[in-house]
Amino acid sequence: EPEVTQTPSHQVTQMGQEVILRCVPISNHLYFYWYRQILGQKVEFLVSFYNNEISEKSEIFDDQFSVERPDGSNFTLKIRSTKLEDSAMYFCASSGQKNTEAFFGQGTRLTVV
Amino acid sequence: AQSVTQPDIHITVSEGASLELRCNYSYGATPYLFWYVQSPGQGLQLLLKYFSGDTLVQGIKGFEAEFKRSQSSFNLRKPSVHWSDAAEYFCAVGPTSGTYKYIFGTGTRLKVLA
Repeated sequence: EPEVTQTPSHQVTQMGQEVILRCVPISNHLYFYWYRQILGQKVEFLVSFYNNEISEKSEIFDDQFSVERPDGSNFTLKIRSTKLEDSAMYFCASSGQKNTEAFFGQGTRLTVV
Repeated sequence: AQSVTQPDIHITVSEGASLELRCNYSYGATPYLFWYVQSPGQGLQLLLKYFSGDTLVQGIKGFEAEFKRSQSSFNLRKPSVHWSDAAEYFCAVGPTSGTYKYIFGTGTRLKVLA
């Protein structure tokens, strides 16, 4: 069964460092998303991506964040200069069409120290 | 703007008992509705979805949900809970004509007593 794959599963980084979280969406999907979940809290929308551009982003997704689909298969989230409050589980998701279900990866746990 | 409310933060049931998790949404038209489950340290797994048609939808693991337009609700039910159902459950609404995001409720953490 097709699935969304995220790497790494856990990343520890020092404050101020750049991190890149990687995702391989389901191969024929067209819509891609990043969400985050701070420990014990709700699942928060960060950004959606369609047709090689950002289709929507939240207030959380400020200039420190960027997304890219560099090669037609990977979908990455970059945090340019991490802060302690960026520590969270980051989920990638994809959907085949805009109004169908999204499939989520297992997440990357980012710890900023 | 769309929103999703899950009024119960925690629910505890005994194994074998029935379960109902509440979800209310706010949206002018009929939304696309989903329930996801998250086991500790895991990702979000889709339990079921509602797009249109029959208002009672069946999902995986014996779960079902009923869409009630008059109450703006999409409650999740299971007739007999198993210990392995202990997890966090999230209700979500899907993208609309003007948005490109899924909006999640705050989640309900289910504890199952043996």
